[in-house]
Amino acid sequence: QQQVKQSPQSLIVQKGGIPIINCAYENTAFDYFPWYQQFPGKGPALLIAIRPDVSEKKEGRFTISFNKSAKQFSLHIMDSQPGDSATYFCAVGTSGSRLTFGEGTQLTVNP
Amino acid sequence: NAGVTQTPKFQVLKTGQSMTLQCAQDMNHNSMYWYRQDPGMGLRLIYYSASEGTTDKGEVPNGYNVSRLNKREFSLRLESAAPSQTSVYFCASSGRLAGSLDTQYFGPGTRLTVL
Repeated sequence: QQQVKQSPQSLIVQKGGIPIINCAYENTAFDYFPWYQQFPGKGPALLIAIRPDVSEKKEGRFTISFNKSAKQFSLHIMDSQPGDSATYFCAVGTSGSRLTFGEGTQLTVNP
Repeated sequence: NAGVTQTPKFQVLKTGQSMTLQCAQDMNHNSMYWYRQDPGMGLRLIYYSASEGTTDKGEVPNGYNVSRLNKREFSLRLESAAPSQTSVYFCASSGRLAGSLDTQYFGPGTRLTVL
């Protein structure tokens, strides 16, 4: 059973656009929702994470929106730049335990 | 402070050969993980170790074995490699900080091809 579904699989935007990547989950026991960013040839790195007691978290140009009732969360990238071109993974888990990752979204930001 | 290191970076095997992927972390983390990454399938957990001396199966353990040699090192062994094991393998570690969310730190990956 797939624990988290991520969409879209790929996304192309122009510089300055606001790409949005979505994830949906089933298990209401999850209480930790991170996003990881991966550049080609590198390992993933934590970008931003949220707990279910808040509906939104911002760190610089990156924002997570969380909808607990719909069991969905999304990543928004404000004023996107070519340097944001990477693969983004959402994940779900309980704090301190194993994570389950989404399938990934390959983002391309054109100049 | 190197973080998580993996060796080798690249490897080509023939079907039936064996090899061990090495991983080490210098962050004094308790938990360590092995993932494989395949196109369109995200990161799938192979095995993990919540603490020194313990290991547990993840989502896709078949064909693999692991050893948590000490707190720093966690190795992944392929006893008889198969073409289906062609993938990029990532090691990760995580530690608990008081009041913080648990972050996994990933190594640079090992790109394995099985012919």
